[in-house]
Amino acid sequence: QEQVVQSGGDVVQPGGSLRLSCTAFKFIFSTYGIHWVRQAPGKGLEWVAFIQYDRGNDANKKYYTDSVKGRFTLSRGSSKNTLYLQMNSLRAEDTAVYYCARDLGSGSFAFDIWGQGTVVNVSS
Amino acid sequence: QSALTQPASVSGSPGQSIAISCTGSSSDVGGYDYVSWYQHHPGRAPKLMIYEVNKRPSGVSDCFSGSKSGNTASLTISGLHSEDEADYYCSSYAGDNTWVFGGGTKLTVL
Repeated sequence: QEQVVQSGGDVVQPGGSLRLSCTAFKFIFSTYGIHWVRQAPGKGLEWVAFIQYDRGNDANKKYYTDSVKGRFTLSRGSSKNTLYLQMNSLRAEDTAVYYCARDLGSGSFAFDIWGQGTVVNVSS
Repeated sequence: QSALTQPASVSGSPGQSIAISCTGSSSDVGGYDYVSWYQHHPGRAPKLMIYEVNKRPSGVSDCFSGSKSGNTASLTISGLHSEDEADYYCSSYAGDNTWVFGGGTKLTVL
């Protein structure tokens, strides 16, 4: 069964850094775009970032929501089946459950396979 | 990138039908036929229920349907079951490779 598995959540102080991982199983990661979505405590879902699939003119182009631009960075791992979200200069408002989600593809602009979520707690 | 507007809660009895609205703007919901809906049971991964306004992924019950008119999209659940009780989120493509979600609607099956 196709799935994504996440790791890397932790408690970190404001201004600190953290790297989240998202690993794909039973499908070829590099042929899909991947999103990160977060849910702050008591809040709704919020789209955070997107990396294009690893092919074509837009290969691996990255896009971010305004509040994380310049602080968060997406990258694909050398194994080609892992994606990382590097989070720097963390703020209290970044506290959330972070999900990675596969883009459905074919220009559908939807998220079809989600990870189990990983908790990031930014607190002193 | 303002969040889409959803009612905070809706409720219905087993067997009834309910609808959840999702209102955005011409920059997102009204501008693209790329509205999707997600079912989220707390503590679990969200599940895609509808994409491209009214398409169902394989395995999703045909009790779930989607529609859109202008800047407002809707998710309808026909014949409520207790297991449908969850949070529901709409999402829309918002251009320039950005997406926006709604605030979520808590569905209670009475």
